[in-house]
Amino acid sequence: EVLLVQSGAEVKKPGESLKISCKGSGYSFTNNWIGWVRQMPGKGLEWMGIIYPSDSKIRDSPSFEGQVTISVDKSITTAYLQWSSLKASDTAMYYCARIGDLGGSFDVWGQGTMVTVSS
Amino acid sequence: DIQMTQSPSSLSASVGDRVTITCRASQGIFNYLAWYQQKPGKVPKLLIYAASTLQSGVPSRFSGSGSGTDFTLTISSLQPEDVATYYCQKYNSAPFTFGPGTKVDIK
Repeated sequence: EVLLVQSGAEVKKPGESLKISCKGSGYSFTNNWIGWVRQMPGKGLEWMGIIYPSDSKIRDSPSFEGQVTISVDKSITTAYLQWSSLKASDTAMYYCARIGDLGGSFDVWGQGTMVTVSS
Repeated sequence: DIQMTQSPSSLSASVGDRVTITCRASQGIFNYLAWYQQKPGKVPKLLIYAASTLQSGVPSRFSGSGSGTDFTLTISSLQPEDVATYYCQKYNSAPFTFGPGTKVDIK
């Protein structure tokens, strides 16, 4: 079974750093792009960017450029989303998802990581 | 960047009704379009990719059509379990933008 398992919920203060993770299993991890999607409370889905685990090539959204860092460690089949200085506006659910073999759509999703930033 | 719009933003229909949701891209995207369903409090689920190809396991009452700039998602006979928000997503080139969503509920 193809699975993406994300790290647990986080509560942080503004200005703190954070790295959340997404571990893939049940498939050849290096063969599929993995992406991150933000969903702010009560809002829609926002595509943040994708990374190709084989060579760490990244395609990201201008909306998130410079705000977050996407990375991967293929040796442990895990992708990451990282902030260096959190803001209250980063409060959201973050999903990782795998791009399927037949195109750019996300066919498998992680369970989500809720990030709350509050003083 | 290409912008995605959806209409309506919400709708209410009766069980058994035919429901149609429209997604429009600001530029042509060929058939690089996917549809997702997100039930309240749940993880999004892929319904359709390549504009009209049903993802494995998705009920056949869901169908997609369109190419270029205009696309539709149709539920042929609305069921109570279809209450959800539906999103389109383009993926011809990065960023793979989502539409704003259409909320569907039962009248």
